[in-house]
Amino acid sequence: NAGVTQTPKFRVLKTGQSMTLLCAQDMNHEYMYWYRQDPGMGLRLIHYSVGEGTTAKGEVPDGYNVSRLKKQNFLLGLESAAPSQTSVYFCASSHSSGGVETQYFGPGTRLLVL
Amino acid sequence: GQNIDQPTEMTATEGAIVQINCTYQTSGFNGLFWYQQHAGEAPTFLSYNVLDGLEEKGRFSSFLSRSKGYSYLLLKELQMKDSASYLCAVMDSNYQLIWGAGTKLIIKP
Repeated sequence: NAGVTQTPKFRVLKTGQSMTLLCAQDMNHEYMYWYRQDPGMGLRLIHYSVGEGTTAKGEVPDGYNVSRLKKQNFLLGLESAAPSQTSVYFCASSHSSGGVETQYFGPGTRLLVL
Repeated sequence: GQNIDQPTEMTATEGAIVQINCTYQTSGFNGLFWYQQHAGEAPTFLSYNVLDGLEEKGRFSSFLSRSKGYSYLLLKELQMKDSASYLCAVMDSNYQLIWGAGTKLIIKP
């Protein structure tokens, strides 16, 4: 049982390049989330999904797109990377029971945009 | 706006007790979480409070006062491995987590 996994672990991009971050979970969770974590700030929600085929915007969605084609996978795309997107990206997942559920996090992807 | 405040950094001695405070102002309240995050690693769940009072879990306890918008995490018998950041997060009326910036706890021998 691997929990939540993320690939890649680290990536360097040049401004304008594109990339996709992959998140996978083997806990059969309905809900999945993408956050970014920057120094001196709390985790900020980029996009989230409440089930296969559905996505929704979070607090800071601009410059990012997501897809949830399979229940276990949640992809985060950067179409044209900018230095402001240098950050650590965390994926998380949780059950859905109509109430409060604990979120379980992946190990993170460190992205540097030059 | 929504706001979670916690101290940026705290220092404590191995074997001692430390209290990390968190105050919040959010749109609605569906509970408060504490997570631990070691440097370079993922946040991991520590505790959840939705009712006023103290929840004890081994060396860690978490307290909530909804009327004051206040919580604290109490760590007893500190060990070097407790050196980490501690994140406070509130679940708002939309069941979204609003996160504090975290408190970096440094444990000295």
